[in-house]
Amino acid sequence: QKEVEQNSGPLSVPEGAIASLNCTYSDRGSQSFFWYRQYSGKSPELIMSIYSNGDKEDGRFTAQLNKASQYVSLLIRDSQPSDSATYLCAVPGAAGNKLTFGGGTRVLVKP
Amino acid sequence: DAGVTQSPTHLIKTRGQQVTLRCSPISGHKSVSWYQQVLGQGPQFIFQYYEKEERGRGNFPDRFSARQFPNYSSELNVNALLLGDSALYLCASSFVVDTEAFFGQGTRLTVV
Repeated sequence: QKEVEQNSGPLSVPEGAIASLNCTYSDRGSQSFFWYRQYSGKSPELIMSIYSNGDKEDGRFTAQLNKASQYVSLLIRDSQPSDSATYLCAVPGAAGNKLTFGGGTRVLVKP
Repeated sequence: DAGVTQSPTHLIKTRGQQVTLRCSPISGHKSVSWYQQVLGQGPQFIFQYYEKEERGRGNFPDRFSARQFPNYSSELNVNALLLGDSALYLCASSFVVDTEAFFGQGTRLTVV
């Protein structure tokens, strides 16, 4: 079992709809979770951090964390073509000295 | 404020050569980490440095080495390059070791 797993996609979403991305992780001791957005040929950009169970909203993005079920999700509301990118879930190691990334979910927002 | 800066942005090397990649963290950040990303995969952890000391090493061969300088900038060295070392090399900066990490634009290394 991989440490951090994501569906590779592509997740095709009509413009204006909600895109829902999921990530599962294996380390029950993980305390913080990050979502990065990566456009093709570019580097990852941090878009959300979440540390506590429940929801965290930032603009059109909502991160949801359920530590008991070991999953973290990202919702993108009112999806725009500019949201078309690969979204990476990242979880720090126990010593906090590395991030373990999932393989990323590719999102395509169609006008 | 300047973000994380990496140099060079692109590099082409021949098998067997050596390469040095450079990274300057965000001002005030003391931790630098290096990642390798091959096409279609998430970044893979190579090294983390904090206050000039190595705090973590990923599953990479000894051909990979790094260091951090007193000004917190960092270098990643790769010796005896292989074709499989072709990848995007990413530097990430964070205030301390387990806080949010911000990436530079990356160095695209091509080994021919």
